[in-house]
Amino acid sequence: DAGVIQSPRHEVTEMGQEVTLRCKPISGHDYLFWYRQTMMRGLELLIYFNNNVPIDDSGMPEDRFSAKMPNASFSTLKIQPSEPRDSAVYFCASSAFGQVGNEQYFGPGTRLTVT
Amino acid sequence: AQSVTQLGSHVSVSEGALVLLRCNYSSSVPPYLFWYVQYPNQGLQLLLKYTTGATLVKGINGFEAEFKKSETSFHLTKPSAHMSDAAEYFCAVITDTGRRALTFGSGTRLQVQP
Repeated sequence: DAGVIQSPRHEVTEMGQEVTLRCKPISGHDYLFWYRQTMMRGLELLIYFNNNVPIDDSGMPEDRFSAKMPNASFSTLKIQPSEPRDSAVYFCASSAFGQVGNEQYFGPGTRLTVT
Repeated sequence: AQSVTQLGSHVSVSEGALVLLRCNYSSSVPPYLFWYVQYPNQGLQLLLKYTTGATLVKGINGFEAEFKKSETSFHLTKPSAHMSDAAEYFCAVITDTGRRALTFGSGTRLQVQP
């Protein structure tokens, strides 16, 4: 398997623009997570899905952020409008249904820079 | 509420020396504990995990960690550091089995000196 795939790997955009980050989880995995990594806040959960249904979006910063999972093999995280404070590395991870301790497999991340 | 504390944001060791990265957690219920490693410009990779059973857990690349309930700790060790171990290490916890997301510590950057 190719692992978790994220695109783009790097995104530079101007403040106010819409940004869409994409994720393809590992085939057969039922859970999908979006995390954000910044120097100030470290690694934090934004939202996660189980069987394409959002379960916990308590980490989504505000209404400018939205995430969807239209099918088992694709998810998007959208920021509209983007702001400089959204600059971060965004990770997608997936895991298989079953034990709580099942490993989460991380993608390589999307480095977002908002100028 | 669950939290994870990693003591020391930077740790420097000599090649061949013992590696000790500290992690303490707070939880009112038995936790699931993880150590992840992040190499520059890459995603996170699982080193090892504790769920139930044996409290000494062995992982990849010669790392191991011991769950000590009385000390609420899950420190990561490796007997002999290698240059390739230089990376950032994150301790993470799940304490609510109804919530699958990881709560991460702030990370420890390990430097290995030749």
